[in-house]
Amino acid sequence: DVKVTQSSRYLVKRTGEKVFLECVQDMDHENMFWYRQDPGLGLRLIYFSYDVKMKEKGDIPEGYSVSREKKERFSLILESASTNQTSMYLCASSWGVNEQFFGPGTRLTVL
Amino acid sequence: GNSVTQMEGPVTLSEEAFLTINCTYTATGYPSLFWYVQYPGEGLQLLLKATKADDKGSNKGFEATYRKETTSFHLEKGSVQVSDSAVYFCALEIPGAGSYQLTFGKGTKLSVIP
Repeated sequence: DVKVTQSSRYLVKRTGEKVFLECVQDMDHENMFWYRQDPGLGLRLIYFSYDVKMKEKGDIPEGYSVSREKKERFSLILESASTNQTSMYLCASSWGVNEQFFGPGTRLTVL
Repeated sequence: GNSVTQMEGPVTLSEEAFLTINCTYTATGYPSLFWYVQYPGEGLQLLLKATKADDKGSNKGFEATYRKETTSFHLEKGSVQVSDSAVYFCALEIPGAGSYQLTFGKGTKLSVIP
């Protein structure tokens, strides 16, 4: 069974903390994505990567960075968390032009 | 740019009712179209897709037809069940654009009551 896993289901952090969200896929997919999901706004793409050490900005990259050192792992980094980054974060992976497989999400609260 | 517009929810239906969730799109090029579903507490999963005009995607009793003339991809099901309660997202992708990005609609929450 294909799988995308995320390091935490729920996370609570304080303003100004550095936050790491980890995503791992076991499908040998080339492409990986980070989205945030907010009520009334749907899913918005933060960053994506189509190869190891490659990254591309999505629609809302400000305040975020990413790292992809290995093919199966894609990390989202909040350098200095702020309250407006409280959200549900979803990771996904895909191979070429095919469906994206999603992880269960991490609900991040920044106090 | 590319965009997807879905009917706003929430939608509440009784069990065995007919479901339609409208989706229209704007795209440069010839998109592939998708419906994703998100059950409570879970990530998104692909429900169905269509890659060219007049294609019909179907899965689990749900159907959607790619209508190029009306730029639409409406989701339908003849008889909904309580287990269909979820959030439904319409999305598009432009093949060959090189970025493999999906553009999502805002989602429509469906609640089915017994």
